[in-house]
Amino acid sequence: EAQVTQNPRYLITVTGKKLTVTCSQNMNHEYMSWYRQDPGLGLRQIYYSMNVEVTDKGDVPEGYKVSRKEKRNFPLILESPSPNQTSLYFCASSEGGVVSATPLHFGNGTRLTVT
Amino acid sequence: AQSVAQPEDQVNVAEGNPLTVKCTYSVSGNPYLFWYVQYPNRGLQFLLKYITGDNLVKGSYGFEAEFNKSQTSFHLKKPSALVSDSALYFCAVNTGFQKLVFGTGTRLLVSP
Repeated sequence: EAQVTQNPRYLITVTGKKLTVTCSQNMNHEYMSWYRQDPGLGLRQIYYSMNVEVTDKGDVPEGYKVSRKEKRNFPLILESPSPNQTSLYFCASSEGGVVSATPLHFGNGTRLTVT
Repeated sequence: AQSVAQPEDQVNVAEGNPLTVKCTYSVSGNPYLFWYVQYPNRGLQFLLKYITGDNLVKGSYGFEAEFNKSQTSFHLKKPSALVSDSALYFCAVNTGFQKLVFGTGTRLLVSP
């Protein structure tokens, strides 16, 4: 089954403790992206990647890191999480990227709470 | 800057009635417009898109959307709502960069 898999689904952590949210897709998609969803703000893009070793900032990249060492994986790293990063995070992928208007495939989300 | 507005936080409709979820956009250039749906505890799912051509776009689950350039709108519609259509709906826009800008979402509640 074609899918985007995020882990974990739920994560509670404390301020400053480094964490990684994993994302993997099995569709051989070139483009991958991370979003955060907050009430009243919709989805905002954190980082995206057009291909292996090619990443770029979205609209809210502060406090986050990403890497794309393999085509299928695109982990989101919070080196020193803060309470304002408490949010619902989504990973997404698409065949040709946003410019080509190919639909995004989303994971089921990771709900992160930072205390 | 490109932006998308969904003026209604929630839309209530009775099952069997037509539904409309509104979306307006503000972009320079020709927009690519999308609708996505989010069910509880799930990621977003693609419903339909407009790139060019016919202003009425048909998508999944019986949904359609009408692109109106003069009103800069892309409203989502369905002739007969189902209880199972109850979900959170997002409009999104892109104008040639690798960023998709989403609206704040509209919760659709279909009552039996």
